[in-house]
Amino acid sequence: DAKTTQPNSMESNEEEPVHLPCNHSTISGTDYIHWYRQLPSQGPEYVIHGLTSNVNNRMASLAIAEDRKSSTLILHRATLRDAAVYYCILKYSGAGSYQLTFGKGTKLSVIP
Amino acid sequence: DGGITQSPKYLFRKEGQNVTLSCEQNLNHDAMYWYRQDPGQGLRLIYYSQIVNDFQKGDIAEGYSVSREKKESFPLTVTSAQKNPTAFYLCASSIDWGRYNSPLHFGNGTRLTVT
Repeated sequence: DAKTTQPNSMESNEEEPVHLPCNHSTISGTDYIHWYRQLPSQGPEYVIHGLTSNVNNRMASLAIAEDRKSSTLILHRATLRDAAVYYCILKYSGAGSYQLTFGKGTKLSVIP
Repeated sequence: DGGITQSPKYLFRKEGQNVTLSCEQNLNHDAMYWYRQDPGQGLRLIYYSQIVNDFQKGDIAEGYSVSREKKESFPLTVTSAQKNPTAFYLCASSIDWGRYNSPLHFGNGTRLTVT
């Protein structure tokens, strides 16, 4: 399975933008890039996903490099409620497979 | 509101006892999953079910068993054969198995402690 590399932790000031990086140099053409986040003592929550083009939704934006070997999750204005572990995951989209492999993710701390 | 309910939130058992964790969803999703999370670690897939009356082993199925007799229910039994059962257990579902971009919906987990 293609793997992702994320920093263990990051800090951000409240109300400032946050850029969470993810490297996936072995990504294949059929892999989608998914992001989830997990608040303390809760289950993960879907954030966003994309294939090649940048994506926006109400929670965040996803910027994907042209060669698809890296991506960045962008939180436009961090709030205290955004403090969580963020997982970058490659989702194989081929027939007969639907597995998400969750690594350790990036723990985001938001400073008031 | 639709969602996934896991119960109980905390569970304590003595070593050597089997224990069953409940997972119920009212999202009308075909696929359901069980993950295990250890402190400071990512999630590891235990079992998954694509459809009622069918389930497959994930990466760490040894010492666990599941059933899928109803679409909305996917209970996980942690047997005495599981060597390190103390962990945070997460149940999830998705619309179906085949759609590559359908997200997983997670419950809020059951924290199992075995002493």
